[in-house]
Amino acid sequence: EAGVAQSPRYKIIEKRQSVAFWCNPISGHATLYWYQQILGQGPKLLIQFQNNGVVDDSQLPKDRFSAERLKGVDSTLKIQPAKLEDSAVYLCASSFRAGGSNTGELFFGEGSRLTVL
Amino acid sequence: GENVEQHPSTLSVQEGDSAVIKCTYSDSASNYFPWYKQELGKRPQLIIDIRSNVGEKKDQRIAVTLNKTAKHFSLHITETQPEDSAVYFCAAMGSAGNMLTFGGGTRLMVKP
Repeated sequence: EAGVAQSPRYKIIEKRQSVAFWCNPISGHATLYWYQQILGQGPKLLIQFQNNGVVDDSQLPKDRFSAERLKGVDSTLKIQPAKLEDSAVYLCASSFRAGGSNTGELFFGEGSRLTVL
Repeated sequence: GENVEQHPSTLSVQEGDSAVIKCTYSDSASNYFPWYKQELGKRPQLIIDIRSNVGEKKDQRIAVTLNKTAKHFSLHITETQPEDSAVYFCAAMGSAGNMLTFGGGTRLMVKP
């Protein structure tokens, strides 16, 4: 079974530039998550999708970050303009189901490492 | 929202000893508690999870205990091996929005 695919694996940009990350979840997984993992810290949820709808984006810095999952399958996360503190690994994860008594395991991609200079 | 605290941040043990990592959570409605292992430069991978209707779960050398009253849960690794060296994250999933909130991580080092 193919895992969660992410690209690019690495990206170096200068501050104020823009960047986009792509994620393709495991086939059939309805729920997709974007997490930000700063070096030495735990993953922090940015946004959660259920199919093509947003479940939670309360921790997404909406002045510079945006994400979409138009057809309920793959997703893109964009940062514009980037700041130094955005340097992190951006992890995409998917699960078959979410919540309550049907909580499902999250499967993570390899991540996209962003360095902002 | 949910807040998950994890301790210790680093843990060094001798091979063969046991390791215990503890987490507390704030949302009493949280009902799912997974543990993830992340090796250097790799993705987090689920190693064990527990749901709120269970107090303890074991899988070979790994066990997790949950105390809902005190709102804390722990990971126990027995007979540690060098390949157990990694960063371990606890997490809690609340009922509102089904967000999975992670702790800050514990770097476990198993010395041969």
